[in-house]
Amino acid sequence: TQTVSQSDAHVTVFEGDSVELRCNYSYGGSIYLSWYIQHHGRGLQFLLKYYSGNPVVQGVNGFEAEFSKSDSSFHLRKASVHWSDSAVYFCAVRGGYAQGLTFGLGTRVSVFP
Amino acid sequence: GALVYQYPRRTICKSGTSMRMECQAVGFQATSVAWYRQSPQKTFELIALSTVNSAIKYEQNFTQEKFPISHPNLSFSSMTVLNAYLEDRGLYLCGAKGQGHERLFFGHGTKLSVL
Repeated sequence: TQTVSQSDAHVTVFEGDSVELRCNYSYGGSIYLSWYIQHHGRGLQFLLKYYSGNPVVQGVNGFEAEFSKSDSSFHLRKASVHWSDSAVYFCAVRGGYAQGLTFGLGTRVSVFP
Repeated sequence: GALVYQYPRRTICKSGTSMRMECQAVGFQATSVAWYRQSPQKTFELIALSTVNSAIKYEQNFTQEKFPISHPNLSFSSMTVLNAYLEDRGLYLCGAKGQGHERLFFGHGTKLSVL
């Protein structure tokens, strides 16, 4: 069984700041990791994913994430946030191809002008 | 491109009644469909995973008797919330994946309110 932990419930940043959202997982085998964004009152939008290869993956809107097997982490980063990045960010893991995604509790990001 | 449509977007039902929601995959064949619920202020819980040619697998705390799912072909799935009560409120998301795809494509969700 895979588990995922997002340690920060809420992060507050100013526009133009960088941000890093933490995600740690536990699973013993090959793992599929992804990040999603949920704007207020909306569904989920895909940001990026990692399955194999280069541990740093680029996503939409300037987001990137880095996979670390040794740390069991898949942290999400953005160098310069915009007010429109205010949303809840969910890290998700999947342990096997036939499994469903397991979501973290989410990190709410508030960007102030 | 690959898209997933869900309808209705919002619905209200009376306590004790049932509500059916639908999910349509466009641009790819949905060999797997996952249904999730996001209760107010919570994360997304997997209700069940339906894979073509396999039995529908329900997660703990969710049953077929309460959330019957149909996945009759590679472009459509539906789920019914039977006998809905306040604790069933939330956003229900359908995520679909095609053969060889790693990524789940999500619809916008069906927001269920129960009076």
